[in-house]
Amino acid sequence: KNEVEQSPQNLTAQEGEFITINCSYSVGISALHWLQQHPGGGIVSLFMLSSGKKKHGRLIATINIQEKHSSLHITASHPRDSAVYICAVWGSQGNLIFGKGTKLSVKP
Amino acid sequence: DVKVTQSSRYLVKRTGEKVFLECVQDMDHENMFWYRQDPGLGLRLIYFSYDVKMKEKGDIPEGYSVSREKKERFSLILESASTNQTSMYLCASSFGRSYNEQFFGPGTRLTVL
Repeated sequence: KNEVEQSPQNLTAQEGEFITINCSYSVGISALHWLQQHPGGGIVSLFMLSSGKKKHGRLIATINIQEKHSSLHITASHPRDSAVYICAVWGSQGNLIFGKGTKLSVKP
Repeated sequence: DVKVTQSSRYLVKRTGEKVFLECVQDMDHENMFWYRQDPGLGLRLIYFSYDVKMKEKGDIPEGYSVSREKKERFSLILESASTNQTSMYLCASSFGRSYNEQFFGPGTRLTVL
């Protein structure tokens, strides 16, 4: 079993829809990282959170440390949100352990 | 803004060649990381470094070595490239010794023929 599981693996949505991507992890960590990767490869950090909720524009990330679960929500989705979304948790050596990513495609 | 740069976006090499991938960060970060990314496997850690001249093996170090002679530069070396090392290679850096945000370079897509 992977230490970091994301669901769904692939997601297609219509523009304007509310989107949720889930991340469950089995390793014990103090914080979780959400990342976005556009076609072409570059990875951008979206959020780093250790409790509660964070919001940035149309993106919202929540985490439940006790349940070892985090969600990334996108409100009023837009085609430019099409990307791979990756969650990652910290391992004991301070390195990140990554989920395999969720590929999101938002159709106009 | 933190900037992490990688020496090449695309690279094509032949089996058996020695390959150098360079990564440079401009924010005086202590920590630097090399990952490879393959379809269906996600990002996997090859090596990381917490300081100059220090290196630690990640999950998949076999076939790779690294060099960190200066704080801003972290090099990944494929001593004898093989076709199974065809992949996207991503470098990242972060500040300090705690769980801090990592900043990624644009990636190098390496093809080994």
